[in-house]
Amino acid sequence: EVQLVESGGGLVQPGRSLKLSCAASGFTFSDYNMAWVRQAPKKGLEWVATIIYDGSRTYYRDSVKGRFTISRDNAKSTLYLQMDSLRSEDTATYYCATLNYDGKFAYWGQGTLVTVSS
Amino acid sequence: DVVMTQTPVSMSVSLGGQVSISCRSSQSLVHNNGNTYLSWYIQKPSQSPQLLIYKVSNRFSGISDRFSGSGSGTDFTLKISRVEPDDLGVYYCGQGTQYPLTFGSGTKLEIK
Repeated sequence: EVQLVESGGGLVQPGRSLKLSCAASGFTFSDYNMAWVRQAPKKGLEWVATIIYDGSRTYYRDSVKGRFTISRDNAKSTLYLQMDSLRSEDTATYYCATLNYDGKFAYWGQGTLVTVSS
Repeated sequence: DVVMTQTPVSMSVSLGGQVSISCRSSQSLVHNNGNTYLSWYIQKPSQSPQLLIYKVSNRFSGISDRFSGSGSGTDFTLKISRVEPDDLGVYYCGQGTQYPLTFGSGTKLEIK
C-alpha cells in the first residue's frame, strides 16, 4: 500500500524558515517524480514544486521561487521542502504527492499545516 | 499560466441522480507529444484529494465506472451517474500539460 506521511508543519513567524518532510513507502520512491501541493484555509489546490525522480530537475511556482527548495533523498525514500522567508500568504496545508509522467497526482499524503503568523 | 475554469461552483443532486461538471482551460491542453493531461480529483470532507480520472477519460485504479471523463482541447466534462452519499465533496480539475501546473477552483457537490 502506498503511503505518504508529511511532517514538520507548525506555527512560524513571518520571515522565518521551516522544513517539511514526506516519508514514502509502499512503492519504489526513486522511480517517481514528486511534488508539493498546498491548500490555503477554505481555498483550492495550488501546485508548489516538483522534483524529477533522480533529483536532476526542479520546478517551482513563481511566488515561491528563490524562497522554497524541493529536494529528495532516494536512499531514505523521503521528500523535503525547505521554506525560507515565509510570508503570511504561505499559510496552508501542504501535501506531498506522486506526479506521474501523464500529469496526474496519483497518491497524496494526509497533509501538514503551516501557519505563518506573528 | 493556464487558467482552469470550473462550473458550476456548487451543485446539489438527489441520490441516484446524474451530474456534470465543466472544466475549461485558457489554452489547449494537448501536449507536444499528442497527449492531453487533464485530470479530475475529489476532496471529501476533511480528507486529502484523491485522483479519479487522468488523461481526460481514464479511470484511476479502483474508481467506479459511475465516474466518466470526456472532452478535448480546452473543454472537458466530468460526469457522475447514480450519485451515492460518498460522492459528496469538492471536485477539482487539474492540468499537467505545462508548468506551472494548475487546478480549477473546485465544484462543491452536495447531496439533497
